[in-house]
Order: sequence, then C-alpha cells, then structure tokens
Amino acid sequence: EVQLVESGGGLVQPGGSLRLSCAASGFIFSSYWMSWVRQAPGKGLEWVANIKQDGREKYYVDSVQGRFTISRDNAKNSLYLQMNSLRAEDTAVYYCATSMEVPMFDYWGQGALVTVSS
Amino acid sequence: DIQMTQSPSSVSASVGDRVTITCRASQGISFWLAWYQQKPGKAPKLLIYAASSLQSEVPSRFSGSGSGTDFTLTISSLQPEDFATYYCQQANSFPPAFGQGTRLEIK
Repeated sequence: EVQLVESGGGLVQPGGSLRLSCAASGFIFSSYWMSWVRQAPGKGLEWVANIKQDGREKYYVDSVQGRFTISRDNAKNSLYLQMNSLRAEDTAVYYCATSMEVPMFDYWGQGALVTVSS
Repeated sequence: DIQMTQSPSSVSASVGDRVTITCRASQGISFWLAWYQQKPGKAPKLLIYAASSLQSEVPSRFSGSGSGTDFTLTISSLQPEDFATYYCQQANSFPPAFGQGTRLEIK
C-alpha cells in the first residue's frame, strides 16, 4: 500500500523558515517524480514544486521561486520542502504527492498545515 | 500560464442523478487533463487521468471526456459518497494548474 506521511508543519512568523518532510513507503520511491501541492484555508489547490527521480530537475511555481527548495533522499525514501522567507500568503495545507511522467498526481499524503502569522 | 475554468462552481443533485462538470482550458492542452475528488479535511483523490482514463479502483460511474480546451467529468448515477468538491488540472505545460473547484451538494 502506498503511504505518504508529511511532517514538520506548524506556526511560524513572517520571514521565518520551516522544513517539511514526506516519508514514502509501499512503492519504489526512486522511480517517481514527486511534488508538493498546497491548499490555502477554504481555497483551491495550487501546485508548488516538483522534482525528478534523480533530483537533478526541479521546478517551482513563480510565487515561491527563490524562497522554497525541493529536495529528496532516495536512500531514505523521503521528500523535503525547505521554506524560507515565509509570508502570510504561504499559509496552507501542504501535500506531498507522487507524480506520473507528466504532472498528474496519483497518490497524496494527508497534508501538513503551515501557518505564517505573527 | 494556462488558466483552468470549471463550471458550475457548485451544483445540487440527488442520489441517482446524472451530473456533468465542465472544465475549460485557456489554450489547448491535448488530452493532458486530470480530475480529482476532495472530501472535507481529506487529501484529493485522483479519479481520471489523460482526460478519459479511469484511475485504478475508481468506480465506473465516473467518466471523463474531451480534448483540446473543453473537458467533462460525468457521474452517471450519484451515490451518497460522491458528494464532494471536484477539481480539474492541466498537465500539458508548466506550471500545472487546477480549476477553482466544483462543489457537489446534496439536494
């Protein structure tokens, strides 16, 4: 059974940093593109970033480019999102998701809530 | 960037009804479209990929069609567990973009 479990969410002040983790199991993690998708409270879904199987290609939505960094450790079956210079508008539930070769997201974690507030 | 527009934004229907949700892309995306179902407090679930391919273990009452700019998700006979919010998403070009969602409510 595919499982994705996010951790590391919480409350952070504007300008602060946070690192999300996603522990994967039940599939060959190193064979999949991986993504982060977020959802602000009461709002729709927004793709944030994705990373190729070997970690050599990474893509970001414009609003987080230069502030967020996606990474992975295939030896640990883990995906990460380092979030710096956080803003109130980054407040959301962050989901990690597996991605097909084209970015359609077939398995999702339960989400981690990030709240940016003073 | 490609914009995705869903209609209607919300719909009320009864168990057993046939429901159709429409998604329009601001430019052609071939058949690179996915549909997701999301229930309150839960993660989205992939229903349909590549416009019309049914994801594993998704009931056959769900179907998708379309190509280019216009797509539809059809639920042939609504079941109580189908009341949720549905999102389309284009996967043709970066950045991947979701529609604003369609909330399916019980009449």
